[in-house]
Amino acid sequence: GAVVSQHPSWVICKSGTSVKIECRSLDFQATTMFWYRQFPKQSLMLMATSNEGSKATYEQGVEKDKFLINHASLTLSTLTVTSAHPEDSSFYICSATSGLAKNIQYFGAGTRLSVL
Amino acid sequence: AQSVTQPDIHITVSEGASLELRCNYSYGATPYLFWYVQSPGQGLQLLLKYFSGDTLVQGIKGFEAEFKRSQSSFNLRKPSVHWSDAAEYFCAVGPSGGYNKLIFGAGTRLAVHP
Repeated sequence: GAVVSQHPSWVICKSGTSVKIECRSLDFQATTMFWYRQFPKQSLMLMATSNEGSKATYEQGVEKDKFLINHASLTLSTLTVTSAHPEDSSFYICSATSGLAKNIQYFGAGTRLSVL
Repeated sequence: AQSVTQPDIHITVSEGASLELRCNYSYGATPYLFWYVQSPGQGLQLLLKYFSGDTLVQGIKGFEAEFKRSQSSFNLRKPSVHWSDAAEYFCAVGPSGGYNKLIFGAGTRLAVHP
């Protein structure tokens, strides 16, 4: 149980284009989802927290117009990197919690974004 | 300030040897504590967690961790390491009773020699 699927696992795009990453909870309803960014050999940095049906809460320093988050249903959240540039290249990981086990985050496998 | 410190960036052990990964935290109140493992290019898998009660908690894959309030520590241990344990290990803390904003340590990369 508590499986989080993230898609795609790897995406390469041209500078200036937008990329959408999906995060799905497969066997539970995710009341809250989190988006993290991880640089090589570094820890996870929380970008934003999203609750179903509400606007995402972004961490300080994270551009909300750059990283659009939509949590339209209890099983799906999306992160769209708009007008991507090479400096946006990174490993993006989502996690989700359920109402029954809200203290535990279950993580997706991550998406590696490479912007050329 | 809230923080998590994993003093060892990289640890190498021989297969079959015991393992201890250190984790210290600074937090305003007693937090919820977690250990996650990340294989290369993958997401994080929960190894174990401490919320309350017995300070020695058992997790998956033969791991255990001990919460020591007086030392603000939550060290991860395994009595006999397997080659498949080679990965990155992250300690994390979060607010008790809440469900947002885990704070992660910088991680410890474990290498296992045959």
